[in-house]
Amino acid sequence: AQSVAQPEDQVNVAEGNPLTVKCTYSVSGNPYLFWYVQYPNRGLQFLLKYITGDNLVKGSYGFEAEFNKSQTSFHLKKPSALVSDSALYFCAVRASQTGANNLFFGTGTRLTVIP
Amino acid sequence: GAGVSQSPRYKVAKRGQDVALRCDPISGHVSLFWYQQALGQGPEFLTYFQNEAQLDKSGLPSDRFFAERPEGSVSTLKIQRTQQEDSAVYLCASSLAVHLDRVEQYFGPGTRLTVT
Repeated sequence: AQSVAQPEDQVNVAEGNPLTVKCTYSVSGNPYLFWYVQYPNRGLQFLLKYITGDNLVKGSYGFEAEFNKSQTSFHLKKPSALVSDSALYFCAVRASQTGANNLFFGTGTRLTVIP
Repeated sequence: GAGVSQSPRYKVAKRGQDVALRCDPISGHVSLFWYQQALGQGPEFLTYFQNEAQLDKSGLPSDRFFAERPEGSVSTLKIQRTQQEDSAVYLCASSLAVHLDRVEQYFGPGTRLTVT
């Protein structure tokens, strides 16, 4: 069975500091991994994905994430946080085998960037 | 370009009423998904269409939930005899294809259903 864990409900970081939002996953076979961001009263916005290839993937708005197979992790990172990055972040996983198309989401991490 | 749109954005239903939620995916997107997001939780999968075929409905919580996509574009999620536990945000998502470079899903703004 697929699952995602986001161990931190809330992450606070000062503007200009690096940020990390943690995610670990469980899936049969090779994972496809995703990060989404949700702003109030808006839908989920796609940030980045890992499918195959380089373990470090770069996405929108300066975000990046590192796939670590041995630790089954896919932490989201940004070198310098902006106040506008404050939002709810979701990690998601799906299995790579044919037919396993739906995403399994974590419970989300609320990021607050303090000016 | 236009994203995924959903209507209505907000729906209040009395317990026992039927509701219909509409999703307009991004033009040309083959795959369409419905998710349910309870307050403070991540989205949970309900059902999946590839074109007009409903390939997976394993997440539908009961036989009161029904989804269709008759022409392979617009989809409707119908909930019959609504119950209070149906109160949630219903998200629709679409993706271009099942191929590796196009598997990301694009989400609509959701329909917030409140059952009173």
